[in-house]
Amino acid sequence: DTEVTQTPKHLVMGMTNKKSLKCEQHMGHRAMYWYKQKAKKPPELMFVYSYEKLSINESVPSRFSPECPNSSLLNLHLHALQPEDSALYLCASSRDRGSNQPQHFGDGTRLSIL
Amino acid sequence: QQQVKQSPQSLIVQKGGISIINCAYENTAFDYFPWYQQFPGKGPALLIAIRPDVSEKKEGRFTISFNKSAKQFSLHIMDSQPGDSATYFCAASKKNAGNMLTFGGGTRLMVKP
Repeated sequence: DTEVTQTPKHLVMGMTNKKSLKCEQHMGHRAMYWYKQKAKKPPELMFVYSYEKLSINESVPSRFSPECPNSSLLNLHLHALQPEDSALYLCASSRDRGSNQPQHFGDGTRLSIL
Repeated sequence: QQQVKQSPQSLIVQKGGISIINCAYENTAFDYFPWYQQFPGKGPALLIAIRPDVSEKKEGRFTISFNKSAKQFSLHIMDSQPGDSATYFCAASKKNAGNMLTFGGGTRLMVKP
């Protein structure tokens, strides 16, 4: 079982809906990441949080809004998404953002935009 | 610009055979090279990783070979099993660069019984 838990596992939403993805880890990690993965492609980095502060935003559209309420929790708020946003959204964590820290991934949320 | 090139895109191996996946990089600032294994419906899981100060690292049936001068590294899966059927991603990160991973394009491995 993965130590990074993501909910929900699947989400179907319309383009006008607002929903949130949740990620939780209890390994004491202080760096957390959101990735987007399309079919047969590698994960693409979206956001990085370090000690609960946003440190990287890879030019992600504003319809994706991350939030890190505490050191164990990471949310991704979704609003007015487009069909091309359908993908697997992965959360990962690492001890911190120091060099060579293994990233531990959750199993993702499979998002479908109607 | 693809900084880490991975080949082949897909690979079929008979049970008991050796699976070999290759990656090449250009940026000499990379100093950490992990391999991730991803099963359908699951997230990537760290399999094995190497730093450029060693030429080989072995963990069970999985071995990374690293050629610093050629800027290439490869994953060898010995005695491949049907349960090894998954997508494998090589990756690289730079020292003091915030632990950002650059992934290869992935290899879909199928091990036939």
